[in-house]
This record gives sequence, C-alpha cells and structure tokens, in this order.
Amino acid sequence: AQSVAQPEDQVNVAEGNPLTVKCTYSVSGNPYLFWYVQYPNRGLQFLLKYITGDNLVKGSYGFEAEFNKSQTSFHLKKPSALVSDSALYFCAVRDSDSGNTPLVFGKGTRLSVIA
Amino acid sequence: DSGVTQTPKHLITATGQRVTLRCSPRSGDLSVYWYQQSLDQGLQFLIQYYNGEERAKGNILERFSAQQFPDLHSELNLSSLELGDSALYFCASSVAGTGNQPQHFGDGTRLSIL
Repeated sequence: AQSVAQPEDQVNVAEGNPLTVKCTYSVSGNPYLFWYVQYPNRGLQFLLKYITGDNLVKGSYGFEAEFNKSQTSFHLKKPSALVSDSALYFCAVRDSDSGNTPLVFGKGTRLSVIA
Repeated sequence: DSGVTQTPKHLITATGQRVTLRCSPRSGDLSVYWYQQSLDQGLQFLIQYYNGEERAKGNILERFSAQQFPDLHSELNLSSLELGDSALYFCASSVAGTGNQPQHFGDGTRLSIL
C-alpha cells in the first residue's frame, strides 16, 4: 500500500524568510513524488516531481524539493517566501511498481506568508 | 491555464436529483481522473479512464458513474444526491494512464445540494 502524510495543517512564515512544507511517504517500491499548489477557487497546479536521479528537484515559481530516501521524505522548500505563495499545498505519491494504482494525495498544508 | 476544461463551474440542486459534470482533457492527454474535494475528507480519488476504458477505481459511490467518450471528454454522473455530496469535483488529465507524468487539473465544479 502507498500513503503520504503532511504533518502540518498550517505553516506560517514571514515574507522574505525561507519556507518548508513537510511531506513523508510510504511505498513498497520506488516512489514517484509530486507537489501541487491550490489557490482559492482554482484546481491543483503542478509544481514539481521526483522520479529518479538528483535528490534536489527544482520546480515552478522558485520552489524546490529534496528527496530523502532514508527518511522517506520529500519536503517542499523556497529560499524566500512571497505573500503570493499563500495557498494550499499538496504532496502526492505513487509507487512505481504498483501497476495501475493512482496517485495518493496528502491532506494538504495551508501556507500563510505574512507581510 | 491547465488546458483542462470543466463545466459547469457551479451547480445547485436538491436532494434526490441527478447531475452530470463534464470534463474536456488537455489536448493530447488520454487519461482522465475524477476527484472529490470536501473540507472534512480532503481530496478523494474517484475514478480514472484511459482512452475510453476504466483504468482504476477509488472511493466512488454506487450512485456515481463516469465514462470517457471517443473524443476523450469525460462525464461524471451523480444520482440520488444527498446533502453530503456537496463538494468540489475536479477532473484531471495526463498523457499516459500510469507512471511518472503529472496530472493537470481543471478548476472544478462546485456542487451544492440544498
């Protein structure tokens, strides 16, 4: 079975400070990992993915994520937060060996960037 | 703009009724996914179609059904509606049916049951 956890419902950070949104996962094989962002009244928007290779993945809008196999984590990071980054962030995982099993999404973390 | 189009944007109806939600995937995408998003349940996967065939099934109620047509658009049918069916319904599409491709989401249909 595959699962993903986002341990924080809410993250608050001051504008200009670095931000981290946490994600841990569980799969039996190798993971495909994704981050999505959702702004109010909009659908989820793809930010970045880890499939294989370099553990540091760079994505849209200055976001990056670090894959850590030993800690089964895939935390989302940004060096300097903007007020416009305030949104709901979802981590998702799929086991690469799971055949037709669809993506499993975390419950989401609400990020608030305060000016 | 994700390229995924969902209609209608809003739908208000009563308990016991039936509604149809429509999704047009991105050009070139063969796979369509349906999700339900509510405050208490988060984002729940309902069903996936790939090139017209059902590929995977999630927490979809028997009162709900879906299909993907030859032109690849998809419809989600919800019947005998209950108050608890009030939610945001999202469609997403991807190039392939499995693997490492990201899904691209529409802006959803907000369903309100009165």
